Amino acid sequence: QITLKESGPTLVEPTQTLTLTCNFSGFSLRRSGAGVGWIRQPPGKALEWLSVIYWNGDRRYSPSLKSRITITKDTSNSQVVLTIANMDPVDTATYFCVHTAQYFDYLWWNPWGQGTLVTVSS
Amino acid sequence: QSVLTQPHSLSGTPGQRVTISCSGSNSNVGSNFVYWYRQLPGMAPQLLIYRNSERPSGVPDRFSGSKSGTSASLAINGLRSEDEADYFCATWDDSLSGGVLFGGGTSLTVL
Repeated sequence: QITLKESGPTLVEPTQTLTLTCNFSGFSLRRSGAGVGWIRQPPGKALEWLSVIYWNGDRRYSPSLKSRITITKDTSNSQVVLTIANMDPVDTATYFCVHTAQYFDYLWWNPWGQGTLVTVSS
Repeated sequence: QSVLTQPHSLSGTPGQRVTISCSGSNSNVGSNFVYWYRQLPGMAPQLLIYRNSERPSGVPDRFSGSKSGTSASLAINGLRSEDEADYFCATWDDSLSGGVLFGGGTSLTVL
């Protein structure tokens, strides 16, 4: 059974850098085709895809956030880390860690982590 | 406001068939696969339909997806109380500022 769990700060001040960690189990990022991504959902608003990193180190970013986002993986520890620089109140959202087994399919995410709410406020 | 348009809310009675629409344009729905996600209250979204009409293992055949032109639909047959959830469509947009698009979501109530 694949599970993912997000962790990180619940409150971030404007201009700070957000670091979120996804700890996963039930699969390995050594497996061909596997990937872990991030999707967020502002309160009452639509979902927004942020980034993905694959077993081979290939990574992709949302065009609108590319300058602020970095995604890395620690395969041995089954972790993926997302950082977002220069946080703003509009970045307030629930951040989900997601799994894919479909290389380069940026819409196939299954399953999802439970999500973690990050509020940006001073 | 999302580029993909879904009805904000829908309702149905147990046993009924309901259809949720997702309307886009030539650069997204019209030229790419559509996916559907369901988000039960207080839960994370789960993949319901991929590549317009395919169901992941474990998703009942009561759920079906279709696409025609720049619109896609999710149909739920034999509506059950546990189907009460938010439903999101998603696709890729080929425009210069494009990428992954999600619809605004449809809140389905089972009366």
